[in-house]
Amino acid sequence: GQQVMQIPQYQHVQEGEDFTTYCNSSTTLSNIQWYKQRPGGHPVFLIQLVKSGEVKKQKRLTFQFGEAKKNSSLHITATQTTDVGTYFCAGKAGTALIFGKGTTLSVSS
Amino acid sequence: NAGVTQTPKFQVLKTGQSMTLQCAQDMNHEYMSWYRQDPGMGLRLIHYSVGAGITDQGEVPNGYNVSRSTTEDFPLRLLSAAPSQTSVYFCASSYGATGSSYNSPLHFGNGTRLTVT
Repeated sequence: GQQVMQIPQYQHVQEGEDFTTYCNSSTTLSNIQWYKQRPGGHPVFLIQLVKSGEVKKQKRLTFQFGEAKKNSSLHITATQTTDVGTYFCAGKAGTALIFGKGTTLSVSS
Repeated sequence: NAGVTQTPKFQVLKTGQSMTLQCAQDMNHEYMSWYRQDPGMGLRLIHYSVGAGITDQGEVPNGYNVSRSTTEDFPLRLLSAAPSQTSVYFCASSYGATGSSYNSPLHFGNGTRLTVT
């Protein structure tokens, strides 16, 4: 079945450093979604990418969808302690949404 | 709107016991799903439903049953609890899925933390 792989599994940065997480699918995706889960919380939707090569920005967060629609990335510029949490990508498999294992970001001030 | 409501928040079961995790949404969402979250394993799909009367298996369905008699409710039943089912369970819903090539954003409940001893 479809697999969505995410790397790295963990990342620790100093406040102010940049952070990137990568998502790769074994099959072509019709779209990809990104979610953030704060420690002890539930996943919250961040953004959806649909078009090949699409780039979207939300303040310090930049999301990209690969030209072949099989990979995606999330880049955070100048991390802050509020960015702490686990970031998940999710791709459509049939009707259901399959999640990657997530990247857990920790930030020290 | 309350969104997606899960009950209970915490539950401890003994091996072999059965129980039902409740999930209700008040957004008239067609699509509902159950995920389990284990350390290092991300969110794994257990079962999902694209509308009342329709359910399907996800990645890890064994040991769980679901039904969808109404649009609002999607309970998850553990038939005979095992320690391997110790996990955090999330219910999630979204608007419209059938026939669409895109997914609407998932709205998650606050989760149920289940421990099986």
